Amino acid sequence: RKEVEQDPGPFNVPEGATVAFNCTYSNSASQSFFWYRQDCRKEPKLLMSVYSSGNEDGRFTAQLNRASQYISLLIRDSKLSDSATYLCVVIQTGANNLFFGTGTRLTVIP
Amino acid sequence: DGGITQSPKYLFRKEGQNVTLSCEQNLNHDAMYWYRQDPGQGLRLIYYSQIVNDFQKGDIAEGYSVSREKKESFPLTVTSAQKNPTAFYLCASAPGQGYEQYFGPGTRLTVT
Repeated sequence: RKEVEQDPGPFNVPEGATVAFNCTYSNSASQSFFWYRQDCRKEPKLLMSVYSSGNEDGRFTAQLNRASQYISLLIRDSKLSDSATYLCVVIQTGANNLFFGTGTRLTVIP
Repeated sequence: DGGITQSPKYLFRKEGQNVTLSCEQNLNHDAMYWYRQDPGQGLRLIYYSQIVNDFQKGDIAEGYSVSREKKESFPLTVTSAQKNPTAFYLCASAPGQGYEQYFGPGTRLTVT
């Protein structure tokens, strides 16, 4: 079983829609969680950290569900510029146990 | 202007040649990482370093070598032993183990 799993998509949504992605992780000892955004042929860029209490940054909301071992990213009022691949990252305790998901591709359609 | 830089952006080499990819950061980060990304694939860890003069193999270290002589620099050498070297190479740094990583713009290596 992979350490981190994401639905690869693609998710094709109209402008203005709300879309949500989940990312499941296998190790309950995981301690830190992040969402990254990667545009085509570019490097991943940190979008937001995911805190136990959940956190919001404008149209983006990230949540952590430790009981079910997943994190989520909600994007409200989707913009064309939100089209990208969204990667989740999970860090476990111990020596450099950082795991990337393979990403979920989002396309926002005019 | 703090950040992490990689050079060159595009690199072309003939099969059988070693090639070194540069990665520099001025973020005063202790940890640095090298990843490889193939089309449509996730990131795979090649090597990482938590501190100067120390580095560890990642999941796909065969055919690669690194050095960490300075805190700011973590060059990656792709040797002729790497069977499929053509890929997008990403360098990242972090304040330390367990922290979020920041990526450089990447180097696209094509070996023919």
